[in-house]
Amino acid sequence: NAGVMQNPRHLVRRRGQEARLRCSPMKGHSHVYWYRQLPEEGLKFMVYLQKENIIDESGMPKERFSAEFPKEGPSILRIQQVVRGDSAAYFCASSPRAKSENSPLHFGNGTRLTVT
Amino acid sequence: DQQVKQNSPSLSVQEGRISILNCDYTNSMFDYFLWYKKYPAEGPTFLISISSIKDKNEDGRFTVFLNKSAKHLSLHIVPSQPGDSAVYFCAASETGGFKTIFGAGTRLFVKA
Repeated sequence: NAGVMQNPRHLVRRRGQEARLRCSPMKGHSHVYWYRQLPEEGLKFMVYLQKENIIDESGMPKERFSAEFPKEGPSILRIQQVVRGDSAAYFCASSPRAKSENSPLHFGNGTRLTVT
Repeated sequence: DQQVKQNSPSLSVQEGRISILNCDYTNSMFDYFLWYKKYPAEGPTFLISISSIKDKNEDGRFTVFLNKSAKHLSLHIVPSQPGDSAVYFCAASETGGFKTIFGAGTRLFVKA
């Protein structure tokens, strides 16, 4: 299966701990997007990255959240000092081209983060 | 600020009948529109798209209609099948932009 791979599928953290979510894009895709889905809500854009560059992080909370997409390895979404409000499903998507050229996003199955 | 709105949280349809899911948008710069389907515990999967230069796009049982003057699009599924039961997200983007903006989704139930 050469789809978008996210791990872990489920992550439980206590308040104040750190959460690291990983995403490996589809083969040949160099553009990665992170979305968050709160319960009973739609998908909210968080950040768009290319290899080694953050292109648009306008949807990221200003504090505690960071994202990277290194030259080697998966993209990482990091949440420091988690709070209960961070509990959500986090989806990663990839595309072969920049979004400036219209193309659909390919999503992974998400990481469901639960903060206790 | 909801730029993409799906005002019906849920829709129930009998198998074999037509399902019509609606979506409205506010940003006149959007020129590419998509529908995604999502099953529980899975990620959204791309279903069908339409560019603003068209008013209709068809793919098998799925047809998307775009009314630019009304800033409205709809997804028609005919005939509906029980396997179509899922959450459907409307999404939009603009050429040169980096974000795809999603609606809140409509949960479709197709009854056998």
